[in-house]
Amino acid sequence: DIQMTQSPSSMSVSLGDTVTITCRASQDVGIYVNWFQQKPGKSPRRMIYRATNLADGVPSRFSGSRSGSDYSLTISSLESEDVADYHCLQYDEYPNTFGAGTKLELK
Amino acid sequence: QVTLKESGTGILQPSQALSLTCSFSGFSLSTTGICVSWIRQPSGKGLEWLADICWDDGKGYNPSLKNRLSISKDTSNNQAFLKITSVDTADTATYYCARQGMGISFDYWGQGVMVTVSS
Repeated sequence: DIQMTQSPSSMSVSLGDTVTITCRASQDVGIYVNWFQQKPGKSPRRMIYRATNLADGVPSRFSGSRSGSDYSLTISSLESEDVADYHCLQYDEYPNTFGAGTKLELK
Repeated sequence: QVTLKESGTGILQPSQALSLTCSFSGFSLSTTGICVSWIRQPSGKGLEWLADICWDDGKGYNPSLKNRLSISKDTSNNQAFLKITSVDTADTATYYCARQGMGISFDYWGQGVMVTVSS
């Protein structure tokens, strides 16, 4: 199975911060990485698809990037509504695999 | 408008079989390129992809669950099904279904259904 090593597992943040979360794929997954936001008691919401594409309705302060096997989600100028859990997913190869998740908490 | 909703057995005993239904609208599993995935999440933990079924009846399974998974669909009634045999407490989780396919990877998710396995 392809491992998606996500870091950090948690992050203490302040409003207005720029936040970057990274997933490293254990094998080549090309562009087939999504990022999801999940709030307590809610379903995941797709934020980024195919590594760099902003999903419909997602604020432009969110962005995705790729450098080799490293995939990053960046939130510029963090707002209170962005405090949530974030998950990466590779869907290039079966079984699809998620990162372990990153929990953003306000300082 | 695309919607998905999961339903299924809420509480089971170990060794029983879990049957889940994903009822959806706004798309069809007979459309080329469309698939539905099942994903689960134990409380306070990460997401785990379980299986998917596609328009051509192609199926994918997570080998970590060995031969316990079975996925199927009813195209006419816009439903996808997942069966997990021989459940144990480790199968306690919220189970989600999500739409998947060419260019629409995991764009819509259901609200999830909580399943508890307890003796």
